[in-house]
Amino acid sequence: DADVTQTPRNRITKTGKRIMLECSQTKGHDRMYWYRQDPGLGLRLIYYSFDVKDINKGEISDGYSVSRQAQAKFSLSLESAIPNQTALYFCATSGYGTTGELFFGEGSRLTVL
Amino acid sequence: GQSLEQPSEVTAVEGAIVQINCTYQTSGFYGLSWYQQHDGGAPTFLSYNALDGLEETGRFSSFLSRSDSYGYLLLQELQMKDSASYFCAVRDGDFNKFYFGSGTKLNVKP
Repeated sequence: DADVTQTPRNRITKTGKRIMLECSQTKGHDRMYWYRQDPGLGLRLIYYSFDVKDINKGEISDGYSVSRQAQAKFSLSLESAIPNQTALYFCATSGYGTTGELFFGEGSRLTVL
Repeated sequence: GQSLEQPSEVTAVEGAIVQINCTYQTSGFYGLSWYQQHDGGAPTFLSYNALDGLEETGRFSSFLSRSDSYGYLLLQELQMKDSASYFCAVRDGDFNKFYFGSGTKLNVKP
């Protein structure tokens, strides 16, 4: 089983619908992140969380919200999806320390029609 | 804010050596990471430099010059499976917050 699991892996929805992407991890890491990837733009940080009581906005948080339900779970919500939120979304974790490494889930591909 | 620049695409032949450069601007630099991503896959970690100098891991090496805000990833003895996108990412602050470049697509030809 993957250390960082994202659900759903693929989702097609319509404009205005509420969407939740879920992420769970078994690595025991405190730090969790949501990134968005668009072709030619790399990965952009949406939100990050130091622990269950700490939520921080990243580069592109407008239109998104998150919930850290437990140390192992970090969900990303789109309250009212719009077509330009069509992208590949990645959840990632990191441990405390200076290894410089993020551990990514397999990604959730979201299409908003 | 943060900005990272890397070439959009590089082509090389199997067995050759290729260098992918990354220049960055950031307010709280702690280190530079490199990731590989195959089409449709998740990014996977390759290396991390917090101090100036060269880090070697098998066929891959990564270099950092903090004074020049510059780093590179060096891939030796290229193989077809190395065809992928490569991203540099700056670690901004002690929290482990990472900002990514737009990626370099490496095409390895026979």
